[in-house]
Amino acid sequence: DVKVTQSSRYLVKRTGEKVFLECVQDMDHENMFWYRQDPGLGLRLIYFSYDVKMKEKGDIPEGYSVSREKKERFSLILESASTNQTSMYLCASSLALPAGGLTDTQYFGPGTRLTVL
Amino acid sequence: SQQGEEDPQALSIQEGENATMNCSYKTSINNLQWYRQNSGRGLVHLILIRSNEREKHSGRLRVTLDTSKKSSSLLITASRAADTASYFCARNNAGNMLTFGGGTRLMVKP
Repeated sequence: DVKVTQSSRYLVKRTGEKVFLECVQDMDHENMFWYRQDPGLGLRLIYFSYDVKMKEKGDIPEGYSVSREKKERFSLILESASTNQTSMYLCASSLALPAGGLTDTQYFGPGTRLTVL
Repeated sequence: SQQGEEDPQALSIQEGENATMNCSYKTSINNLQWYRQNSGRGLVHLILIRSNEREKHSGRLRVTLDTSKKSSSLLITASRAADTASYFCARNNAGNMLTFGGGTRLMVKP
């Protein structure tokens, strides 16, 4: 089974702090994603990576950056945390398409609930 | 950005009843997927239906897809209290990204 782990379940930070959220997957997936989830807004894509050192902006990249130095690890960085970044952050991974008939099902980590005070 | 909506936003039923959730979208799709999320947890993939399929079953789950109406439905039969969760549809329009809807919160009362 695919396993996606996130470094923290709960995190409390102060405004202006630099925050690192780590995500690791163990299935050799090419694609990795960072979403944030807020009530009434569903999941919104922050950044997407399709290979080591490659990244693409999602719908809401402002205030965030990412790093993918190794295939299994995808980090989300809040350079200077703000209160409007308080949210649930979800990491996911998937195979790249085409994938020999396999699908682009995404596998999610348990989420990190970040509170910025 | 979200390109569709789930309907209803919230649903409350008694154990044993069937639950139906709908998903509409605006652009053509390669496939449509349904995910489940228990409170405070990550999403878990339930079922995928390709654009050339009309219906798919998995246990107590039945998914239909009507590409002419740009809509899909998820039916959970004989619901259980453990089915209480939020359910999301996700569309693959092209490439490797999915677009998620806002979800339906299902509560199944024992």
